[in-house]
Amino acid sequence: AQKITQTQPGMFVQEKEAVTLDCTYDTSDPSYGLFWYKQPSSGEMIFLIYQGSYDQQNATEGRYSLNFQKARKSANLVISASQLGDSAMYFCAMREDRPTGNQFYFGTGTSLTVIP
Amino acid sequence: AAGVIQSPRHLIKEKRETATLKCYPIPRHDTVYWYQQGPGQDPQFLISFYEKMQSDKGSIPDRFSAQQFSDYHSELNMSSLELGDSALYFCASSLGWPLGEQYFGPGTRLTVT
Repeated sequence: AQKITQTQPGMFVQEKEAVTLDCTYDTSDPSYGLFWYKQPSSGEMIFLIYQGSYDQQNATEGRYSLNFQKARKSANLVISASQLGDSAMYFCAMREDRPTGNQFYFGTGTSLTVIP
Repeated sequence: AAGVIQSPRHLIKEKRETATLKCYPIPRHDTVYWYQQGPGQDPQFLISFYEKMQSDKGSIPDRFSAQQFSDYHSELNMSSLELGDSALYFCASSLGWPLGEQYFGPGTRLTVT
């Protein structure tokens, strides 16, 4: 079974609008972390936001917020006030925390295009 | 702020050659992860190290090996290179405890001809 599912291969958003990128995850471990990364066409992987499974509040970092719904196992990324520079591939990822080590899983990504 | 450093940034090798990729984590980070990202694909976890010990293993081929040194930098050694090894190789670092954010380096683009 897929550990991380991103169901939107491509998304379009108007500049200055908000957009939500979906991510669902699958784990039976009680301790895990959820990440979002941005990968522009230049190839680097830019860390955006992190949510720990025990964090009570949704993570926020500037224009990025993570809508963490633990019971539904979803960790959607919300980008407010989209900018042209937000056009990129966005990856959701999960780290499973185990005594024997941590496993990392990435989703297949969502390509976001911001339209002027 | 200091980031993860990877060298070289680009590498071209021929089939059956060997390659060594280097990673210097963010200062004070004790955990290093290696990923392979093929063209148009999501990153695949290869291997990780915590405090100089291998902590987990993903889809790393037997032809590859890695280690973390006393200064926490890590090297990924790749032997008997194949055309399919052409990819972007990322190193990432984080604190082992408390668990939290993981930052990626700029990647090494390996091309095998």
